[in-house]
Amino acid sequence: KAGVTQTPRYLIKTRGQQVTLSCSPISGHRSVSWYQQTPGQGLQFLFEYFSETQRNKGNFPGRFSGRQFSNSRSEMNVSTLELGDSALYLCASSFLDSRNTGELFFGEGSRLTVL
Amino acid sequence: AQSVTQPDIHITVSEGASLELRCNYSYGATPYLFWYVQSPGQGLQLLLKYFSGDTLVQGIKGFEAEFKRSQSSFNLRKPSVHWSDAAEYFCAVSADGGYQKVTFGIGTKLQVIP
Repeated sequence: KAGVTQTPRYLIKTRGQQVTLSCSPISGHRSVSWYQQTPGQGLQFLFEYFSETQRNKGNFPGRFSGRQFSNSRSEMNVSTLELGDSALYLCASSFLDSRNTGELFFGEGSRLTVL
Repeated sequence: AQSVTQPDIHITVSEGASLELRCNYSYGATPYLFWYVQSPGQGLQLLLKYFSGDTLVQGIKGFEAEFKRSQSSFNLRKPSVHWSDAAEYFCAVSADGGYQKVTFGIGTKLQVIP
């Protein structure tokens, strides 16, 4: 069974540009969460989607947005990039129904560098 | 709001020695608690979880953790560390077994020396 797939794995952008990251969850998982990981900050929750609806949102500025498609694939977008947006962006999927065990299944992340 | 504190940012242990990683949580009701491990260049993998019942839970790779409500703690232990255990470990809490957002601690980086 394929795991969570994130693309691209690495990317370099410059300040002011925008970026779109993609996440394909495990087949059958309908919940997708996004986290930002930086040294010293750990994992910061960005948002979570379920059935194309944003269920939860973290404390990030409006430059960070996301969406989920009918096939559960999700994208997140960061506009007007700042140097501080350099981070590893992790996507995690899970069941959110009777099969839910509470476990999040993580992808390997997209490492964004902003110059 | 729920929160997780991992007081040790970096721990070094000798191979074969015992290990205990500390985790304290803040949440009003009974929390759902998790430990995840992240190897370099990879995503996070679940080691173990506690929802209810026996307060000592067993996980993968020989790890165990004990839930102590009176101390608001969920410490991770392993009796004998292997070099392959070198990684970063994250404690996490959720209000409702994953139906609410999962909040992670800052992580503890484990170094294993021969």
